Amino acid sequence: ETGVTQSPTHLIKTRGQQVTLRCSSQSGHNTVSWYQQALGQGPQFIFQYYREEENGRGNFPPRFSGLQFPNYSSELNVNALELDDSALYLCASSFLDQPQHFGDGTRLSIL
Amino acid sequence: AQSVTQLGSHVSVSEGALVLLRCNYSSSVPPYLFWYVQYPNQGLQLLLKYTTGATLVKGINGFEAEFKKSETSFHLTKPSAHMSDAAEYFCAVSDNTGNQFYFGTGTSLTVIP
Repeated sequence: ETGVTQSPTHLIKTRGQQVTLRCSSQSGHNTVSWYQQALGQGPQFIFQYYREEENGRGNFPPRFSGLQFPNYSSELNVNALELDDSALYLCASSFLDQPQHFGDGTRLSIL
Repeated sequence: AQSVTQLGSHVSVSEGALVLLRCNYSSSVPPYLFWYVQYPNQGLQLLLKYTTGATLVKGINGFEAEFKKSETSFHLTKPSAHMSDAAEYFCAVSDNTGNQFYFGTGTSLTVIP
């Protein structure tokens, strides 16, 4: 089975710019969650999408937004980038109440 | 509300020794509990999970964890450490909808030859 894939693997942006990160879910999974993992920290929940609708959101501002497509792939968009947005962004997919499967992440650096 | 506390941000053990990584949780509902491992520059890999039923859970690579409701703990153990076990370990809790995971801050395991 195909696992969770994320693109790009690394990205460098400057403050104020916008970024889009992409995630392809594992085959058969209809739920996708996004996490931000700052250096030396655990992942922090950003939001979850189920059947193209947002299904839960963590403590992140509205400039963090997402989309889920009919094929269950997903995008994370971040506007007005700040230095503190530098982190590893992880996507995880799941089906029903089964455990989440994680991708290897996108490392975002803000200069 | 749910949260996880991992005691000890760094743990060192000798190869062949017992591994014990501690996790305590807080949850207002019956929790689902998980342990994940993260190798450098990679995502998280599920080691084991507890949802309901047997409180001693066995996972991959010889790891196991025991859910103790009275102690609100879910400590991870392995009888004999291997060099390949060196990694970052995260404990996580969710409710039974799985809509949101709360992760601990992680424990870095070093295995000494």
